[in-house]
Amino acid sequence: DSGVTQTPKHLITATGQRVTLRCSPRSGDLSVYWYQQSLDQGLQFLIQYYNGEERAKGNILERFSAQQFPDLHSELNLSSLELGDSALYFCASYGGRDAEGNEQFFGPGTRLTVL
Amino acid sequence: GENVEQHPSTLSVQEGDSAVIKCTYSDSASNYFPWYKQELGKRPQLIIDIRSNVGEKKDQRIAVTLNKTAKHFSLHITETQPEDSAVYFCAASINTDKLIFGTGTRLQVFP
Repeated sequence: DSGVTQTPKHLITATGQRVTLRCSPRSGDLSVYWYQQSLDQGLQFLIQYYNGEERAKGNILERFSAQQFPDLHSELNLSSLELGDSALYFCASYGGRDAEGNEQFFGPGTRLTVL
Repeated sequence: GENVEQHPSTLSVQEGDSAVIKCTYSDSASNYFPWYKQELGKRPQLIIDIRSNVGEKKDQRIAVTLNKTAKHFSLHITETQPEDSAVYFCAASINTDKLIFGTGTRLQVFP
């Protein structure tokens, strides 16, 4: 168990719909990263939040957005869903101090299926 | 932009043999290189990482080497076992920040 939790575990929805994925980082970790893993694109960085503020953006579609709340949990919102959005979505948390022994800890992921 | 290439995409070895997976990164500012093992449907799990201030790191049967000049790093697994079968991802990062992943290597170890 990494200490990072994600809900829901599975999500099945239809094209055009909107969903929200939730992530709770490890206690004390200020950084949350979202990654998408699809069959054809591999593991891709989407977006990072640090202590409530957006820190970096990767290949995140305009239909997707995220936020980090004062209690440090984060939500990834996916709207106008398309078949190609079906993927595993992971969040990872990090304490923020680049040093030996520090790493990003991954949550168990949310499997999104768009029908 | 930042890019990490990983080879091979699949690797089959006999139990007890060694396996080597290679990655090349593009951003010369990268200084953190983790390797993850992922079983089907599960989270990526860190198996070893290396920072740019060292050239090699070992942990039992696993080792990673880094060549900063060539921007190459490699994973070496010795005495492979069937439970090593999984998909392995390399990644590159600056200061353990956002991870840029390679495309993955499916390793199969046959008994």
